[in-house]
Amino acid sequence: DAGITQSPRYKITETGRQVTLMCHQTWSHSYMFWYRQDLGHGLRLIYYSAAADITDKGEVPDGYVVSRSKTENFPLTLESATRSQTSVYFCASSESGTRNYGYTFGSGTRLTVV
Amino acid sequence: SQKIEQNSEALNIQEGKTATLTCNYTNYSPAYLQWYRQDPGRGPVFLLLIRENEKEKRKERLKVTFDTTLKQSLFHITASQPADSATYLCALDLYNTDKLIFGTGTRLQVFP
Repeated sequence: DAGITQSPRYKITETGRQVTLMCHQTWSHSYMFWYRQDLGHGLRLIYYSAAADITDKGEVPDGYVVSRSKTENFPLTLESATRSQTSVYFCASSESGTRNYGYTFGSGTRLTVV
Repeated sequence: SQKIEQNSEALNIQEGKTATLTCNYTNYSPAYLQWYRQDPGRGPVFLLLIRENEKEKRKERLKVTFDTTLKQSLFHITASQPADSATYLCALDLYNTDKLIFGTGTRLQVFP
């Protein structure tokens, strides 16, 4: 979607390397989320943030680090990439939690760890 | 255990017919339920949400029902078109949380 941008679109990295996936939104949405999508598992929440400087773990946070110093950016870092982290990663944002609004997703980053 | 189940097998229907997709959940008490569409290589796109006290919601050719007793939501696309072919995801919005839990999705294929 035009208002939420993920980069890079594709990434190949080696086991043990640190890699950062970027997410930028232009709506000043309070909430931002990182999901990974794997065949057979669907979308699983990694981390989320309710506002700048507030982050919380999701269902599968191990091996990932996030930060949110500015409302519009929510980078996801894999500290030491493993093959099990090969996946498609989606960033999403929402104006105010989920009560009245759906999420807006980015186009995803396909990450391959070799 | 907590589960959200959507039919993992693809649903194939003929153009013009009504497609019905199912979302069942166990051991959750959602306040809201949402439906998303996902095309290959793209992120999910929000379609509809329905609150627990609503039985039915409509938007153009889309209709969603939500039965908290059966713990089930049905998603209908009437007068389906080949352009409706995609994967459809349901997601639960639980009380006292700010995050969605997604099902694995059902792939819909509408053929002419």
